[in-house]
Amino acid sequence: DTAVSQTPKYLVTQMGNDKSIKCEQNLGHDTMYWYKQDSKKFLKIMFSYNNKELIINETVPNRFSPKSPDKAHLNLHINSLELGDSAVYFCASSHSIDTQYFGPGTRLTVL
Amino acid sequence: QKEVEQDPGPLSVPEGAIVSLNCTYSNSAFQYFMWYRQYSRKGPELLMYTYSSGNKEDGRFTAQVDKSSKYISLFIRDSQPSDSATYLCAMRDGGSQGNLIFGKGTKLSVKP
Repeated sequence: DTAVSQTPKYLVTQMGNDKSIKCEQNLGHDTMYWYKQDSKKFLKIMFSYNNKELIINETVPNRFSPKSPDKAHLNLHINSLELGDSAVYFCASSHSIDTQYFGPGTRLTVL
Repeated sequence: QKEVEQDPGPLSVPEGAIVSLNCTYSNSAFQYFMWYRQYSRKGPELLMYTYSSGNKEDGRFTAQVDKSSKYISLFIRDSQPSDSATYLCAMRDGGSQGNLIFGKGTKLSVKP
């Protein structure tokens, strides 16, 4: 059973498009996260979210927005995609601030 | 100075070698320290989790934390080709947000 799953695994799109990445966790966790891993493998937090609050990394452009339809899902919407958005995006989840479990990643390529 | 510094390598060792991976950090508020292993084109998976200073051992893996020096280490004994991966250190403070700060990762290759 996959604990944290993401779709799609690969996403190739043109500049200016709007796209979404979906994340689901079946661990019963209350907190979910989105990370961006750039070409140099540097993993950086974008958002953390539980049913109480959304914490946004101030460096994240407002073209990125998380949407949580329920506790098991945290989707990432990206508007007006730019070349610099190309990266691998990882979803993660945890129980409160405990150990984080990562999904397999979505490799986004913006042409 | 970045909050967490980690030598990106790459590090290449023969099978059976002892591997030492290290991170330094600047934020004295960090209390929780983790090592994640990331295979190529996969998500990071938690390897070791320690709180505050001290050692923790799990099989061939030993994590050490020296808060006075702001230095953490991961030792791998009897390294195997299956240990070839990128190892990321991560840490956070004791606050309520729990956001992890990652090092850049060290790419390890264990040659048979």
